[in-house]
Amino acid sequence: NAGVTQTPKFQVLKTGQSMTLQCAQDMNHEYMSWYRQDPGMGLRLIHYSVGAGITDQGEVPNGYNVSRSTTEDFPLRLLSAAPSQTSVYFCASRQVADYGYTFGSGTRLTVV
Amino acid sequence: GNSVTQMEGPVTLSEEAFLTINCTYTATGYPSLFWYVQYPGEGLQLLLKATKADDKGSNKGFEATYRKETTSFHLEKGSVQVSDSAVYFCALRLNYGGSQGNLIFGKGTKLSVKP
Repeated sequence: NAGVTQTPKFQVLKTGQSMTLQCAQDMNHEYMSWYRQDPGMGLRLIHYSVGAGITDQGEVPNGYNVSRSTTEDFPLRLLSAAPSQTSVYFCASRQVADYGYTFGSGTRLTVV
Repeated sequence: GNSVTQMEGPVTLSEEAFLTINCTYTATGYPSLFWYVQYPGEGLQLLLKATKADDKGSNKGFEATYRKETTSFHLEKGSVQVSDSAVYFCALRLNYGGSQGNLIFGKGTKLSVKP
């Protein structure tokens, strides 16, 4: 019962580099989402997906891409990292008809 | 727009003190309301929820009542413990089509409980 697994836990990038944050869940949840957490800002929704092949933008999508080729995986791509993307990133999933979200333990990203 | 406002922290209490963390919301329609807790170095965990007006959510000694007339969902606990030290987030979920049930979070309130 792994739940939601995020990798890596920590990452340092240089400005302009690209990388993919991985998120996988083993609960057969249709809905998956990515949030970023910044001090004094709470959590803000970046992108979400209600099923394989379906994605949509959240509140702060600029600079991030996502795709959903399988139910289990929902990677978040940074094409050209910027210092403003320094944050803690959380992946969360749930059944579409359910109220309860399951969160991953987060990825702390620093862009220098 | 839809939003959640919660009291700013940090909040520092002594063990066995009474806790209140205020949360108010602005939303179209009738949202569901949640409290999430984040322990140091971990992801968020659902603490309690309420899905309609006058519902009371409760868990681990924490309670919150959905007050539609005051658009509030204040978190309370009668006697806090050191292990309750964490960041608490109030959140709402819109329940109409098109919102996809996305959560909207408050900024979080850090609670520190001293022995």
